[in-house]
Amino acid sequence: SAVISQKPSRDICQRGTSLTIQCQVDSQVTMMFWYRQQPGQSLTLIATANQGSEATYESGFVIDKFPISRPNLTFSTLTVSNMSPEDSSIYLCSVVTGASQETQYFGPGTRLLVL
Amino acid sequence: SQQGEEDPQALSIQEGENATMNCSYKTSINNLQWYRQNSGRGLVHLILIRSNEREKHSGRLRVTLDTSKKSSSLLITASRAADTASYFCATDASRNTGFQKLVFGTGTRLLVSP
Repeated sequence: SAVISQKPSRDICQRGTSLTIQCQVDSQVTMMFWYRQQPGQSLTLIATANQGSEATYESGFVIDKFPISRPNLTFSTLTVSNMSPEDSSIYLCSVVTGASQETQYFGPGTRLLVL
Repeated sequence: SQQGEEDPQALSIQEGENATMNCSYKTSINNLQWYRQNSGRGLVHLILIRSNEREKHSGRLRVTLDTSKKSSSLLITASRAADTASYFCATDASRNTGFQKLVFGTGTRLLVSP
């Protein structure tokens, strides 16, 4: 398994501002992912951030709104830009690790409220 | 939408009873994973079942997979109040080697009363 931490754990932000969420893993991983979970909903994949390549965004998500950095094999950031109340969600990072590279482990999440 | 469906949406049982949750999906898969989420916190990985497997056990958990029906079930035996959480299935249907993309189900909210 992997130990994943996220900062901040929660934040309250004003509309129009931006927030950068950090994700730190205790081991080197190739695949990292960012998800959004809107209130009362399931998880939706925002993008895949593999080290050494540009992040791959899912339909409905764009780099200008959710820029991602992946500077090394243990760290990634997701920025939520020009926030609106609709961006209020839990943002989770995850990694794939293990010998078979099948199991995906999640961080504790960042709870964001935009006023 | 590619999202899987889970039923029931909510399940309320007494401690000691068994809880069964079902997951249906739409495409062929490499594997299916079950997760637990407590009160909007991070997801805890419970169990992974591959497409060539039909049943797996882990402690009080039993997972089945029927690829012909594109469905899976999670059984929690002898439930405890601490099992109260939301449970999600997630399928990996990626075709590219070295790449994974999970599609999550809608989730089942389980309440276990003492």
